[in-house]
Order: sequence, then structure tokens, then C-alpha cells
Amino acid sequence: IAGITQAPTSQILAAGRRMTLRCTQDMRHNAMYWYRQDLGLGLRLIHYSNTAGTTGKGEVPDGYSVSRANTDDFPLTLASAVPSQTSVYFCASSDGSRGYNEQFFGPGTRLTVL
Amino acid sequence: AQSVTQPDIHITVSEGASLELRCNYSYGATPYLFWYVQSPGQGLQLLLKYFSGDTLVQGIKGFEAEFKRSQSSFNLRKPSVHWSDAAEYFCAVGPRTTAAGNKLTFGGGTRVLVKP
Repeated sequence: IAGITQAPTSQILAAGRRMTLRCTQDMRHNAMYWYRQDLGLGLRLIHYSNTAGTTGKGEVPDGYSVSRANTDDFPLTLASAVPSQTSVYFCASSDGSRGYNEQFFGPGTRLTVL
Repeated sequence: AQSVTQPDIHITVSEGASLELRCNYSYGATPYLFWYVQSPGQGLQLLLKYFSGDTLVQGIKGFEAEFKRSQSSFNLRKPSVHWSDAAEYFCAVGPRTTAAGNKLTFGGGTRVLVKP
């Protein structure tokens, strides 16, 4: 079944460690996004990519980096994790080539930073 | 800056009763509007969307939403809820021009509990 996969499903991480959250989509969507979900705050955009080779900052980019080497993959890296980065992270994609389309979401990664 | 407000953090409704979830937005122009649902431990699923045309839109699972430009609102409704509707619901808005990217702004969410 086509869609978005995220790995790992969950992770407990010591503060100061480096962590990469993986996201892969097989829908050939040009645009991809990373959100974090925190109670009462909904989803907030961390970084996005409108097409392979380009990335942009969202609402809460500090402490995170992304790359988009190809259409399918959009990894999110925490260079030195801090407890405030404890959250549920969602990757999403959309096909903007035919005008605006809705975003499709992955199942999420639950990250705990101690 | 754009923002989305969902005034109700929690709503408890009896099974079979009607449900209405409120959503108000602040945006420079009329945006695209979405409602997503998140079941426990799951990702987000699109319920419905408004781009243009009829301001009453139908979605999946028996949900509908009405866009009211004068009130900057996009409230979600369901005439008769089922126990399986217990979930968190998110309203979101996005730009009409792809030059701005397809970035969505989400509300804080409304958690719906369904009593038997």
C-alpha cells in the first residue's frame, strides 16, 4: 500500500546525542514536511521541502536540520538533542504539481529526550 | 501571521448525539481549509477540505463542514456520532498560491470523547 513510512516508531534518547528520524514516501510527491506535535499546540512545522534539492524553515526549526537528496526521502536530524525536543514527530507529503493538494501523514515517531 | 483557533480543547458527547467542532482562522486572504482526524496512536487522516465553490462540504465518515467567510470559521459537524469517532480533530489552513509552498497551519486540536 502506497504511503509514508517513518522510523523508528519510538525512541528514548539521552540529551546531547545525535538522532536522525527517517521518512520515506512512495507516492512521488514533490513536497515533504516535518511537524512536531505537542499537547495543546497542535502540529507545528519544523522544516519543509517543496522539491528534491531544496529545503525551507518552518515555524520551529531551531535544533533541527533536514536534507532532500531525492524525491522519496526526507530525514530529520537532531544534532544534539535536548529535553524540549521530546515530542511526537510527523512526516507528511503533498503533490503540489497539480495545484494545491492535501498533505498525507506518516504514523509518527515518538521521541523522548532524557 | 496566520493562526487557527479551536476554542474547545475537550468535548464529551453521547453516542448518537450530534457533534459540532469550532474552528476560527486568521489569514491574509481566504485560505484553503482542512479538517484532519487523529485516532489514538495514529497519524492524521484527512476528513474533508474546502477549496472553492459550495461552502458546505461533505467528507468521509459522515462529517461535513461549513465555510463562513464573514465569520472566518470552518466548523465541523456530524449529525450522529459513533463510538469510533472518539479521536482528536485538527483544523488547518493553507495558502492558495503554490509559490508560498503548501505549508499548513494547524489549530491546537479538539479531543472528542464519546459516552456510551
